[in-house]
Amino acid sequence: NAGVTQTPKFQVLKTGQSMTLQCAQDMNHNSMYWYRQDPGMGLRLIYYSASEGTTDKGEVPNGYNVSRLNKREFSLRLESAAPSQTSVYFCASSEALRRAEAFFGQGTRLTVV
Amino acid sequence: AQTVTQSQPEMSVQEAETVTLSCTYDTSESDYYLFWYKQPPSRQMILVIRQEAYKQQNATENRFSVNFQKAAKSFSLKISDSQLGDAAMYFCAYRGPSGNTPLVFGKGTRLSVIA
Repeated sequence: NAGVTQTPKFQVLKTGQSMTLQCAQDMNHNSMYWYRQDPGMGLRLIYYSASEGTTDKGEVPNGYNVSRLNKREFSLRLESAAPSQTSVYFCASSEALRRAEAFFGQGTRLTVV
Repeated sequence: AQTVTQSQPEMSVQEAETVTLSCTYDTSESDYYLFWYKQPPSRQMILVIRQEAYKQQNATENRFSVNFQKAAKSFSLKISDSQLGDAAMYFCAYRGPSGNTPLVFGKGTRLSVIA
């Protein structure tokens, strides 16, 4: 029972490099999310996808792009990484019900040097 | 926009004692859900408890219970008989009336449990 799977778990990038964080869920959820977690800041929403084929900006979308490849997969791309993007990134998914809990991946610790 | 505020960055509790973590939120909606998540050092996010705004009865899950005050927009978490395994970051979260909207999180409270 995999739930939400994120890859990679750790990554170090140089400033200006690009990379894509992958996320897949096997729970047939419509909604998927990308959050970043920074010390003292809680979890802040980067982008979300309410259903396959739709994406919307969250609180901190600058410097990121997303793709909802299909119902299972939702990727996050950093086109030109900056030190300010050093963070722990979480992918999550949920049913499209207001009572539904969000299920989270294990997180990706990204360091930009 | 909805906001969630956790005013206690850090708390500590003696093992077997009771601790209450505070959370307030701001919304103009009348129908919504509130959640508490636990994040241990493993980074895994674990749902602790949830509360529907239209339910007056406070939710309870074993040693975890909430004090939901809708008029005051307050949603505190009480942990009874604290255990060493309760040590973690705790996040309060809000979801509005549409199931398509994301959870909005507070900044978290780090709970330490003293043996």
